[in-house]
Amino acid sequence: SQELEQSPQSLIVQEGKNLTINCTSSKTLYGLYWYKQKYGEGLIFLMMLQKGGEEKSHEKITAKLDEKKQQSSLHITASQPSHAGIYLCGADIESGNQFYFGTGTSLTVIP
Amino acid sequence: DGGITQSPKYLFRKEGQNVTLSCEQNLNHDAMYWYRQDPGQGLRLIYYSQIVNDFQKGDIAEGYSVSREKKESFPLTVTSAQKNPTAFYLCASSMHILGLGGVSGANVLTFGAGSRLTVL
Repeated sequence: SQELEQSPQSLIVQEGKNLTINCTSSKTLYGLYWYKQKYGEGLIFLMMLQKGGEEKSHEKITAKLDEKKQQSSLHITASQPSHAGIYLCGADIESGNQFYFGTGTSLTVIP
Repeated sequence: DGGITQSPKYLFRKEGQNVTLSCEQNLNHDAMYWYRQDPGQGLRLIYYSQIVNDFQKGDIAEGYSVSREKKESFPLTVTSAQKNPTAFYLCASSMHILGLGGVSGANVLTFGAGSRLTVL
């Protein structure tokens, strides 16, 4: 079973469109991290969320953590080809004894 | 600039051979990790190390071995016992070990560029 479920698994959008990626757990998340990976490369840290209801933004990317701390969303506004890649969420779950990654969402942005 | 260097970027291996992937960091991070990435499966933890001369098995340690003789270095050996070694391998480090419940910037992972291993 997967501790962190990401959806959708893949996404193809036209440039300029908005999109949302979700990361869900059946358990409480004690720290939620979003990373981006360009194909065939390492992961780059985007944002970290800690408190229920917290929201952070960087340029056109906004990440939220719900009040129950079981779901996070990553929203991209007016997508650009530079946003293409794989987005992964990672989290400390419940007791914080282990860190898990989601399965990733592959994003393609068509110019 | 500080960062993590993985080498080689691409590696081809014949069945039955051991190979070692290098991972070096100059971030003065205590913790280092090796992950394996396969399509559709996200990242799976192979081994991790909190301090020098200490390391722990992750979720898929069978067929792999590591060492941590220096703080900066955490090489991964893929042995012939690993049944399906073809994958993308990622090394990472963090200031402190992940998963201790202490959420802070110290838990942010810095990744290397990855090594792609193909078994022929």
